[in-house]
Amino acid sequence: DQQVKQNSPSLSVQEGRISILNCDYTNSMFDYFLWYKKYPAEGPTFLISISSIKDKNEDGRFTVFLNKSAKHLSLHIVPSQPGDSAVYFCAATPGAAGNKLTFGGGTRVLVKP
Amino acid sequence: NAGVTQTPKFQVLKTGQSMTLQCAQDMNHNSMYWYRQDPGMGLRLIYYSASEGTTDKGEVPNGYNVSRLNKREFSLRLESAAPSQTSVYFCASGGAGANYGYTFGSGTRLTVV
Repeated sequence: DQQVKQNSPSLSVQEGRISILNCDYTNSMFDYFLWYKKYPAEGPTFLISISSIKDKNEDGRFTVFLNKSAKHLSLHIVPSQPGDSAVYFCAATPGAAGNKLTFGGGTRVLVKP
Repeated sequence: NAGVTQTPKFQVLKTGQSMTLQCAQDMNHNSMYWYRQDPGMGLRLIYYSASEGTTDKGEVPNGYNVSRLNKREFSLRLESAAPSQTSVYFCASGGAGANYGYTFGSGTRLTVV
C-alpha cells in the first residue's frame, strides 16, 4: 500500500518550457511535504518543501503547490533547464508526530536542449 | 566537507554471504536512517534510529539488522544475503528543524548473485 504515489514515471520537456510533476498521498496524518532531486550515482538532495498550512511555496524556478482536500501536490519548474534532468522524489511526513519520510516512486525528468 | 559518508560504494556478494554497510555523519544529527532504492519503488525505509541508543523497524526490515554505534555512526548488516536484496542503499541523517529534510549519503550499490 503506497501512501505516496507519483503516477508518471517519466517526463520529457523542451528547455525553457514548464515541467509539472505530480504526487498524490493517502495518509491524512501527513502534514509536511518535500521534493528531492537525484542525479545518477548520487544521493537525493533536498529541493523544496511545504507545510500543510500553506498551499504554495516558491524558491526561484521551483514552486510547490499543495491541495489538501485532494491530497495532491505538484512541483513546477519554470523555465526548465538541461541541468534539471534528474529523478525527482516526492516525500511526506507527519512532521511533529515523527519525522520519518515516506517517498513516492520517483519521476525521471529529461529536459531537451 | 560536512555530510553523510557511506562505505563501500559498490559490493558484489554471493547468496548467503554477510556484510555490513557503514554510515557516518558529522552534522551532529540525532536521527539516522537506512533506505533502499529499487526501480519504480522509490526509497523505502529499512530501519531508523531516532537517537543514539534506539533503533526501530521501517517498512522493509526483514533480512537486515542495524547498530547505532554512537551519535555519528549507523551501520546496516545483511546476515545472509539474498538476490532480493540487490539494490542501492542510502543512509541519511536528519536534525531537528523546520523542514524535516534529510541529508543523504551517495549510496552503496549492492549486487547479490
